[in-house]
Amino acid sequence: QSVLTQPPSVSGAPGQRVTISCTGSSSNIGAGYDVHWYQQLPGTAPKVLIYGNSNRPSGVPDRFSGSKSGTSASLAITGLQAEDEADYYCQSYDSNLSEGVFGGGTKLTVL
Amino acid sequence: EVHLLESGGDLVQPGGSLRLSCAASGFTVSTYAMSWVRQAPGKGLEWVSTISGSGVATYYAESVKGRFTISRDDSKNMLHLQMNSLRAEDTAIYYCAKDRYYDFWNGYSDYFDYWGQGTLVTVSS
Repeated sequence: QSVLTQPPSVSGAPGQRVTISCTGSSSNIGAGYDVHWYQQLPGTAPKVLIYGNSNRPSGVPDRFSGSKSGTSASLAITGLQAEDEADYYCQSYDSNLSEGVFGGGTKLTVL
Repeated sequence: EVHLLESGGDLVQPGGSLRLSCAASGFTVSTYAMSWVRQAPGKGLEWVSTISGSGVATYYAESVKGRFTISRDDSKNMLHLQMNSLRAEDTAIYYCAKDRYYDFWNGYSDYFDYWGQGTLVTVSS
């Protein structure tokens, strides 16, 4: 069980907005460590979607945005498209474990 | 262009050993930290190990500490993972990943900006 908690699944219709939460604690997100988000399309390697809590790498559409507050972070996707159907993971660091940590992952289904 | 290519995945018996390799191109491995991340079949991502840009500092998940060793060959621009005393729960796709920074989570941030395509390790009798 991961120290970063994500909902197992979320869904939305094309064009809608969805959010994915990532809940941590005072030893990881709450300690000030950055949160990063990865998108994993079926059968492919993950790719970074959001880094440093809210920054998008070049090439990532501005439909994707990230935020962080307290011991939690969120990924928002607006204008949902069929190609967004994928698994999404948050990542941070835990000072108690002295390990890099991932959330359990969230499967996004576009209805 | 950055490219990472893993190799070495195989079927191995419990208690056996395996060495994974990752050939890097488009950058020099000694200028960034490098990591291994794994994904068990149908499961989520798990950070396994990181070696700093200096090559001196290494970091391991508790689940592999004492059994796995990460190393680097700067002359060949390659990353390795020596896996000993393998268990069924080590079965996974192992990804090689380039860290964005030189040090592992120094300055309260670190992420993987490039990933390989992965190599499958199956531990079974």
